[in-house]
Amino acid sequence: GENVEQHPSTLSVQEGDSAVIKCTYSDSASNYFPWYKQELGKRPQLIIDIRSNVGEKKDQRIAVTLNKTAKHFSLHITETQPEDSAVYFCAARGIYNQGGKLIFGQGTELSVKP
Amino acid sequence: SQTIHQWPATLVQPVGSPLSLECTVEGTSNPNLYWYRQAAGRGLQLLFYSVGIGQISSEVPQNLSASRPQDRQFILSSKKLLLSDSGFYLCAWRSRPGGRSTEQYFGPGTRLTVT
Repeated sequence: GENVEQHPSTLSVQEGDSAVIKCTYSDSASNYFPWYKQELGKRPQLIIDIRSNVGEKKDQRIAVTLNKTAKHFSLHITETQPEDSAVYFCAARGIYNQGGKLIFGQGTELSVKP
Repeated sequence: SQTIHQWPATLVQPVGSPLSLECTVEGTSNPNLYWYRQAAGRGLQLLFYSVGIGQISSEVPQNLSASRPQDRQFILSSKKLLLSDSGFYLCAWRSRPGGRSTEQYFGPGTRLTVT
């Protein structure tokens, strides 16, 4: 079935550095790729998404890139701040997914050290 | 604007007791609805989804069940809780395909502890 692999599982960076989280998907019919940020004890919050007809999308310090040929997409956070510390989940949705369900990666725990 | 509610926010229940968690969505019609469970420090496990009233699809066989008695109401139930049912239960919604939005949004969650 569909699968999304996410790496790394943990990531520690110094404040001000960049952070990159990578995901690979298996379903070539996937056309929607959201990223969620989950702070401790809170709900996952949608922070950015990209559709298959776009190669890159930016929103202030965060950006997502998509390589459809290689079936992978990445989240880039620049000038990291302590408040960026959280668990980040990538996901993919295929056009044939029943119920429009998202397939989630395993999550990356990002720690930004001041 | 759309909002999603879940209750209760926290729940402590003994093993073998029944469970009922409720999720309601406001400001939209005919949403797709989802129940997820998140064990401590783990990922998001999809339990059930629904594309309409009375239509429930199960992703993982277990002692939980779901129902959708109204368009914007989604209920997660169990007749007898197990210790392994402890976790953070998240309801989510998205607009029905063909709508303007494809984004999926999560509710605030219910933290369940089975003792």
